[in-house]
Amino acid sequence: RKEVEQDPGPFNVPEGATVAFNCTYSNSASQSFFWYRQDCRKEPKLLMSVYSSGNEDGRFTAQLNRASQYISLLIRDSKLSDSATYLCVGSNTGNQFYFGTGTSLTVIP
Amino acid sequence: DADVTQTPRNRITKTGKRIMLECSQTKGHDRMYWYRQDPGLGLRLIYYSFDVKDINKGEISDGYSVSRQAQAKFSLSLESAIPNQTALYFCATSDGVANEKLFFGSGTQLSVL
Repeated sequence: RKEVEQDPGPFNVPEGATVAFNCTYSNSASQSFFWYRQDCRKEPKLLMSVYSSGNEDGRFTAQLNRASQYISLLIRDSKLSDSATYLCVGSNTGNQFYFGTGTSLTVIP
Repeated sequence: DADVTQTPRNRITKTGKRIMLECSQTKGHDRMYWYRQDPGLGLRLIYYSFDVKDINKGEISDGYSVSRQAQAKFSLSLESAIPNQTALYFCATSDGVANEKLFFGSGTQLSVL
């Protein structure tokens, strides 16, 4: 079983829609979690870290549920520019990072 | 200039050839990583290094070797390239503090024919 699993999608949503991605992790010792955004054939870039209390950055909200071992990302008012692949990432006490396979999002005009 | 620089950006080579991918960083980070990305498989860790004298195998190190020449430089070698090593390779760094994030280079697309 992979350390981090996420639905690959694709998610095709109209502009202005709200979309949510979920990710589960198998290692309860995982310490930190992140969402990265990756455009086609480009390097992943940090979108936001995920905190247990939940955190928000503009239209993006991330949640962590340690009891159920899942992480979520909510995107409100989707823009065309949000089209990308979103990677769920966990890291452990050994400072290794584990990547999900990514969820593809296409925002349609 | 990019903080994490990978060279070359693209490389086509033949089976059996030795290939070196280079990574340099100006972020002053101690920790450096090499990942490969394949469609449907996500990023997988090949090797990582927490300082110049520390080299560790990742989940898919077979067929690869690395060298940490300095804090700023971490190179990946394929001693005898094979077609299933065709992939997009990323170098990354992190600063090692709590809740640290990864900073990636632009990637190297390697094709082994």
